[in-house]
Amino acid sequence: GNSVTQMEGPVTLSEEAFLTINCTYTATGYPSLFWYVQYPGEGLQLLLKATKADDKGSNKGFEATYRKETTSFHLEKGSVQVSDSAVYFCALSEAAGNKLTFGGGTRVLVKP
Amino acid sequence: GAGVSQSPSNKVTEKGKDVELRCDPISGHTALYWYRQSLGQGLEFLIYFQGNSAPDKSGLPSDRFSAERTGGSVSTLTIQRTQQEDSAVYLCASSMERYEQYFGPGTRLTVT
Repeated sequence: GNSVTQMEGPVTLSEEAFLTINCTYTATGYPSLFWYVQYPGEGLQLLLKATKADDKGSNKGFEATYRKETTSFHLEKGSVQVSDSAVYFCALSEAAGNKLTFGGGTRVLVKP
Repeated sequence: GAGVSQSPSNKVTEKGKDVELRCDPISGHTALYWYRQSLGQGLEFLIYFQGNSAPDKSGLPSDRFSAERTGGSVSTLTIQRTQQEDSAVYLCASSMERYEQYFGPGTRLTVT
């Protein structure tokens, strides 16, 4: 079956540091890939997505590239802010709009 | 516009009781999903409704769990004879077919 593995947290960074959260997946076919974010006390929000190999999703300074050869979708941001403190979830679906399979989530804490 | 709403926001129940959780999707969204977020299991898919098609129930953990969607809109997730391991946050999401999912704030269920 499908699965998503992402690095365990918590990840603690200083403001303006570089953030990388690794995500790898196992799936049949060609899934769509997503990063969702859950800010403290809020619901899950879509951060970015990519629907085919070599696509780059980007939003709010975050980027992730769909790498079929390494089955990865690592999330990066060049300069984090305190407001980026949240839990980040990598996810896939076998087709856009279909059920999501999530990774375990990575908690990120950015200190001023 | 209005997002996905869920009620109640919190529910405390005694072991063995039945509970009903409600989800109001975004108007016009044809697909509706239920997920469960728990400490031990992370984010898990439960059930998926798409238009008039038969629902995908492949994620329901036991026959104590059931869901229905009336009139293609509101959905109710029912858990019968609740157990302590059912304690979790139950998330509902909706989408236009094959597009991104929008999540509600969740219902936190505590079984005592």
